[in-house]
Amino acid sequence: QLHLQESGPGLVKPSETLSLTCTVSGASISSGDYHWGWIRQPPGKGLEWIGNLYNGVSTSYNPSLQSRVTISIDTSKNQFSLKLYSVTAADTAVYYCAKIATGWGQGTLVTVSS
Amino acid sequence: DIVLTQTPLSSPVILGQPASISCRSSQSLVHSDGNTYLSWLQQRPGQPPRLLVYRVSDRFSGVPDRFSGSGAGTDFTLKISRVEAEDVGVYYCMQVTQFPFTFGQGTRLEIQ
Repeated sequence: QLHLQESGPGLVKPSETLSLTCTVSGASISSGDYHWGWIRQPPGKGLEWIGNLYNGVSTSYNPSLQSRVTISIDTSKNQFSLKLYSVTAADTAVYYCAKIATGWGQGTLVTVSS
Repeated sequence: DIVLTQTPLSSPVILGQPASISCRSSQSLVHSDGNTYLSWLQQRPGQPPRLLVYRVSDRFSGVPDRFSGSGAGTDFTLKISRVEAEDVGVYYCMQVTQFPFTFGQGTRLEIQ
C-alpha cells in the first residue's frame, strides 16, 4: 500500500531555505513512469504545483518558483526532497508530497516568520 | 500556462440530489500520446486531496460509483449522482497534460 510522509521544520525564517523530505513506502520512486512531486496550499487557498521528478531522473518546476526550487532524490532511502530558497511570508503553506495524482502525504504546515 | 476555470465556485446541494461541477481549460488537454490527463480531486475539511477520477472518466480505486467524470478537449464535468454527507468539501480539477501542471480554483460543495 502506497504511503507518503513529509518531514521537516515547521518554522522557517524569512530569507532562509525551506527543506522538506518525502519518505515513500509501497512503491519505488526511481522506477516506473510516474511523477513524484510537491504541491502546496496556502492557508484557506487553493493548490499550487511546485515541481516534480519523473522516472527518478528528470525534474520539472513551476516557472513561478523555478529560480528558487530544487527537487532531489535519494534512491537508497526511497525519499525525495524539496528545497525552496529565499523564502518570504508568501511561502507559508501546507506542503504536500504526492505520487501525482494518485497518492498524497498528509501534508506539513510550514510557516515563514521571524 | 494552462488555466483551468471551475464553475460554480460554491454549490449548495440537498442530500440525495445530484451535483455537477464544470472545469474549462484554456487550451486542449489532449496529450501527444492521445490521452487527456484531466483529473478530479476531493479535499475534505482538514484532509489532503484525494484522487477521484483520472484521464477524464476513469474512477480511481475505492471511489464510489456515484462519482463520474466526462468531457473532452477543453470542457469537463464531474457529476455526483446522489450527494451524501461525506461528500462535503472542495473539489479541484487538475491537468497533467502539460507543464506546469495546474489546478482549478476549487468548488466548495456544501449541504443545503
